[in-house]
Amino acid sequence: DTAVSQTPKYLVTQMGNDKSIKCEQNLGHDTMYWYKQDSKKFLKIMFSYNNKELIINETVPNRFSPKSPDKAHLNLHINSLELGDSAVYFCASSHGTGYPEKLFFGSGTQLSVL
Amino acid sequence: AQSVSQHNHHVILSEAASLELGCNYSYGGTVNLFWYVQYPGQHLQLLLKYFSGDPLVKGIKGFEAEFIKSKFSFNLRKPSVQWSDTAEYFCAVNARGNTGKLIFGQGTTLQVKP
Repeated sequence: DTAVSQTPKYLVTQMGNDKSIKCEQNLGHDTMYWYKQDSKKFLKIMFSYNNKELIINETVPNRFSPKSPDKAHLNLHINSLELGDSAVYFCASSHGTGYPEKLFFGSGTQLSVL
Repeated sequence: AQSVSQHNHHVILSEAASLELGCNYSYGGTVNLFWYVQYPGQHLQLLLKYFSGDPLVKGIKGFEAEFIKSKFSFNLRKPSVQWSDTAEYFCAVNARGNTGKLIFGQGTTLQVKP
């Protein structure tokens, strides 16, 4: 069974569209994250949720809105997509709060905005 | 702002060669340090970590890393690489007082020739 699963794996869309990426973890973890990997392979944290509560919100355009319906799910909705949003988006989870000893990552969603 | 630098972006080695990947971070306080690896077609996974104690830490598959506080470095080493070590390697830092926020380096692509 996949520990952290995100869908879709690939997403190709036009500028201006609205799209969502879903993430689910079956590890019983309390904390979930969204990371963005740019074309230079830098992984940058976007958001972190602990038990459905937002705890990290980096400088991300407000077109990006995370939603956590329960602690096993953290979805990412993106409005009015722009060319610069093209990247690989990784979901991750970790046990407990505070300093994560180990992050478990999903396989990534490659978003291409045309 | 905290940052992590990985100086080697692309490394090509022959099997049995020794490996050292550099990682430096910029933060004056106490840190937790990590190396993550992404094998082709697989998820990012934890290779090893340092929180406290012996600055020489050992991870999976024969990898080790040494934390040198005076140099703000956490270099990854392996005495003899195998073809199966071909992967992307990411150094990451979590500063104490910066709960849950893992800062990643740019990554190093390691290609091991059989």
